[in-house]
Amino acid sequence: DAKTTQPNSMESNEEEPVHLPCNHSTISGTDYIHWYRQLPSQGPEYVIHGLTSNVNNRMASLAIAEDRKSSTLILHRATLRDAAVYYCILRDGGRGSNYKLTFGKGTLLTVNP
Amino acid sequence: DSGVTQTPKHLITATGQRVTLRCSPRSGDLSVYWYQQSLDQGLQFLIQYYNGEERAKGNILERFSAQQFPDLHSELNLSSLELGDSALYFCASSESAGLRETQYFGPGTRLLVL
Repeated sequence: DAKTTQPNSMESNEEEPVHLPCNHSTISGTDYIHWYRQLPSQGPEYVIHGLTSNVNNRMASLAIAEDRKSSTLILHRATLRDAAVYYCILRDGGRGSNYKLTFGKGTLLTVNP
Repeated sequence: DSGVTQTPKHLITATGQRVTLRCSPRSGDLSVYWYQQSLDQGLQFLIQYYNGEERAKGNILERFSAQQFPDLHSELNLSSLELGDSALYFCASSESAGLRETQYFGPGTRLLVL
């Protein structure tokens, strides 16, 4: 599986934007970039995913570099509820692949009131 | 609420024992995944079932087994339990098994082996 690199932790203030980076220099052409987050004492939850173009949904935006070797998850206005571990995951799309999620260590986001 | 349910929420047992964790996927989802989360290993994929058939295996120990029943619920059986099996066990489900399918996670079962 292609690997991702994320900062161990980041800090933000409430109601400010947050940019969570992810490097994936060995990404293959068919890999989708997925973001999940895990709130304290809960299971992971889907945030957003994309392939090449930037994506927006009600939770966040995903900005993907032109060479696809990095991406950034953008939370436009952080709330206390956004404090979580954020995982950047490449979905392995090779032939014969299963479609598991391979979690790294993620980024622990702290949101200050 | 993801729509995925897991029982029990907590389980305390002794070494050498056998336990069964249960997962009910979201209505209509055919694919079920099991993950283990421990402090030292993080979140790791164990096994995937799709419409009753085993689809993929991850780092699942031979002491562990799973199945998916005709009603699509799944069970993860852990036997000859060791202290190191203490962890959070998550079940996830998705509509099919496609690359872009979102996985919806349950709240997990916390297993403590004493």
